[in-house]
Amino acid sequence: AQRVTQPEKLLSVFKGAPVELKCNYSYSGSPELFWYVQYSRQRLQLLLRHISRESIKGFTADLNKGETSFHLKKPFAQEEDSAMYYCALAIYNFNKFYFGSGTKLNVKP
Amino acid sequence: EADIYQTPRYLVIGTGKKITLECSQTMGHDKMYWYQQDPGMELHLIHYSYGVNSTEKGDLSSESTVSRIRTEHFPLTLESARPSHTSQYLCASSEPSFYEQYFGPGTRLTVT
Repeated sequence: AQRVTQPEKLLSVFKGAPVELKCNYSYSGSPELFWYVQYSRQRLQLLLRHISRESIKGFTADLNKGETSFHLKKPFAQEEDSAMYYCALAIYNFNKFYFGSGTKLNVKP
Repeated sequence: EADIYQTPRYLVIGTGKKITLECSQTMGHDKMYWYQQDPGMELHLIHYSYGVNSTEKGDLSSESTVSRIRTEHFPLTLESARPSHTSQYLCASSEPSFYEQYFGPGTRLTVT
């Protein structure tokens, strides 16, 4: 059963526009959720995790347990934000991670 | 500099060959992971390890095997490669008490 769903394969926005990358998860316990990012020709790396409730590079994500969502948001997109974004769910004391299929964000000038 | 390495980066091999994908990390992490990713699809956890002499299978069924004889080394072996094994393989590591996974550059495997 798919545990993490990212419904958008590609999201294109103009520079300065708000952006929201959607993520929904399926898990009955207490979820630990993350966003990972992969810039062109770079490795997959952690962007942020819900437990720290921090803003990284202007991005924030709020866990909504009622809607089982963990959408990633940024009020004003920048061209350097163009990348692949993966939502991930960790369970069983973080020994198992489930990743979504990713959303490619393209920020146009 | 602490890092996680994967070799080879690209591999094209014929059906039936035995292959080993190497993963090494100099970060001193106990936990290590192998993921398989087809283009445009999710990363699927195929193996993980808590530490030396500890290995577990992930949820995705895989015909590969792994070993963890040294903390820094977590190789993945396919005894007999098939075209269905064509994919990208990502290795990652993490500390026990931290959530962040550090990923290697990946190995893109093509079985002809």
